[in-house]
Amino acid sequence: AQKITQTQPGMFVQEKEAVTLDCTYDTSDQSYGLFWYKQPSSGEMIFLIYQGSYDEQNATEGRYSLNFQKARKSANLVISASQLGDSAMYFCAMRGITGANNLFFGTGTRLTVIP
Amino acid sequence: EADIYQTPRYLVIGTGKKITLECSQTMGHDKMYWYQQDPGMELHLIHYSYGVNSTEKGDLSSESTVSRIRTEHFPLTLESARPSHTSQYLCASSETWVSYNEQFFGPGTRLTVL
Repeated sequence: AQKITQTQPGMFVQEKEAVTLDCTYDTSDQSYGLFWYKQPSSGEMIFLIYQGSYDEQNATEGRYSLNFQKARKSANLVISASQLGDSAMYFCAMRGITGANNLFFGTGTRLTVIP
Repeated sequence: EADIYQTPRYLVIGTGKKITLECSQTMGHDKMYWYQQDPGMELHLIHYSYGVNSTEKGDLSSESTVSRIRTEHFPLTLESARPSHTSQYLCASSETWVSYNEQFFGPGTRLTVL
């Protein structure tokens, strides 16, 4: 079974600063994918970034990068140059290749960007 | 931008009513999912489908039912709504079994049962 742990219920960051949101995971699958989604107050889930378990390079998408440390089973999201619009809930999720092939989510981190 | 739609976006109803939450996608995806999310909490899988005429229950027990008569359509039904069903329901779809395919989410339905 997959398990995702996000230990930061809430984080604050000054506008234009960088912030790291923590995520650790546990799985018995050899092949899996790690995702980060952003959920604004409107409720929709917005895909941010993906990291495959066999990818050697850390994923980057614009201001988002994923710090993947496979041995530590961590997949932290780094947001650079924070903007006010980054204030939202952020969910780390894992997708294996067995069973329902669904996403397993962490409990989320609420990020607040301070002007 | 993902082409997955949910209606209604918001629904407030009384106890005992039958409701159907609609979900449609125009991407031709075989796999579709329903997640339930209580306010400020994580998402939990309640139903999924591999394709037409396939439906399975997810990790979180739910009194709702689903159907998949057409590839693009995956409605969720509650026969008799109760206050404990108050939650957000998110529909998602993905292209294949492969773990690197992202799931595309609809905008969600916020259900309140009085």
